[in-house]
Amino acid sequence: DGGITQSPKYLFRKEGQNVTLSCEQNLNHDAMYWYRQDPGQGLRLIYYSQIVNDFQKGDIAEGYSVSREKKESFPLTVTSAQKNPTAFYLCAITWGQGPFGYTFGSGTRLTVV
Amino acid sequence: AQSVTQLDSQVPVFEEAPVELRCNYSSSVSVYLFWYVQYPNQGLQLLLKYLSGSTLVKGINGFEAEFNKSQTSFHLRKPSVHISDTAEYFCAVSDLNAGNMLTFGGGTRLMVKP
Repeated sequence: DGGITQSPKYLFRKEGQNVTLSCEQNLNHDAMYWYRQDPGQGLRLIYYSQIVNDFQKGDIAEGYSVSREKKESFPLTVTSAQKNPTAFYLCAITWGQGPFGYTFGSGTRLTVV
Repeated sequence: AQSVTQLDSQVPVFEEAPVELRCNYSSSVSVYLFWYVQYPNQGLQLLLKYLSGSTLVKGINGFEAEFNKSQTSFHLRKPSVHISDTAEYFCAVSDLNAGNMLTFGGGTRLMVKP
């Protein structure tokens, strides 16, 4: 995936548990994004970060949390407050402020059991 | 706020037939346009992008798209599809006010039949 790694690829969580999804990049890109994808619904923005130690809520941030302590890493925690967490989660990166488009990770499929 | 509309949620087509996937956007300022493809259980891959210049943009896998400013459209075309083109396709847009952020359409599932 061109220097962006999401792990794990599949994740199972029991109801009431928090779980953290990993997104790591080695391309020295500034901006990182988390999207949620449900069947037939396209991409919905959860959180994004333009620089280290700063992040912004997207359209569906409730029940999620993030951190950006290092440029290379932008982990997403799905908390027990997220009522319907089963989905496919995608991380994306881009650099600078120009229209360079995104590079996506391969995704993590989270299933609540 | 920008919006991107992909007019067809599903497009069934026979192998070797031509296909057009439609995309319209709402922004009236200068825009940058992208098409991505997603195969099952994978991330999105960039197919092509329009930043400036020629309105006909060629991408990977034989796809091309035409930017039409007056109609605010960026339709994706391929003259002859293969079974392997079966995937979800997403149109995305950014403008000068958005910095590096993209707004995505809802996606179109292309289903190529033998």
